[in-house]
Amino acid sequence: GDSVTQMEGPVTLSEEAFLTINCTYTATGYPSLFWYVQYPGEGLQLLLKATKADDKGSNKGFEATYRKETTSFHLEKGSVQVSDSAVYFCAQVTGTASKLTFGTGTRLQVTL
Amino acid sequence: DTGVSQDPRHKITKRGQNVTFRCDPISEHNRLYWYRQTLGQGPEFLTYFQNEAQLEKSRLLSDRFSAERPKGSFSTLEIQRTEQGDSAMYLCASSLVDEKLFFGSGTQLSVL
Repeated sequence: GDSVTQMEGPVTLSEEAFLTINCTYTATGYPSLFWYVQYPGEGLQLLLKATKADDKGSNKGFEATYRKETTSFHLEKGSVQVSDSAVYFCAQVTGTASKLTFGTGTRLQVTL
Repeated sequence: DTGVSQDPRHKITKRGQNVTFRCDPISEHNRLYWYRQTLGQGPEFLTYFQNEAQLEKSRLLSDRFSAERPKGSFSTLEIQRTEQGDSAMYLCASSLVDEKLFFGSGTQLSVL
């Protein structure tokens, strides 16, 4: 069945460091891919998305490119801030129901 | 737009008791979703509604679970005869058809 695998955390970085969080997917069709972020005490928020191969989603300095050949959607940011500390979830949707399949989440901790 | 609200934020109950959670979606959203998230895992799909019709239920949703959306607005999720394995965060989300999901902050259930 459809699934999403993302790197385990926690990931601990110093402020201004480069961030990569790996995500790969398996799907029977052609999914749309998403990154959601969950800040402490808050609900999940959509960070970015890509709906077809080679699309790049971007928001708040974060980027991810839909790579069909490697079935990947890695999240990157060139310079992280303390305020980026959160749990990041990779997710996919196939079909029309907008029913998301999530990865297990990666906790990011950014320190001064 | 006040976002998706869930009530209560926390619920502690004894094994065998029934519990009910409420979700109020964003007012114009016709789709409403329930997810369950356990510690260290990503959210897992439980069920979704389009207007008042429940269109899909996950195998995770045992006979002890029931969800309703009687007038196509708010929704309730009831768990009968709770078990310790039901302890989790229950998330509600809403959307327009084929648009992005907006999540509430969740109801944390602890079954003692």
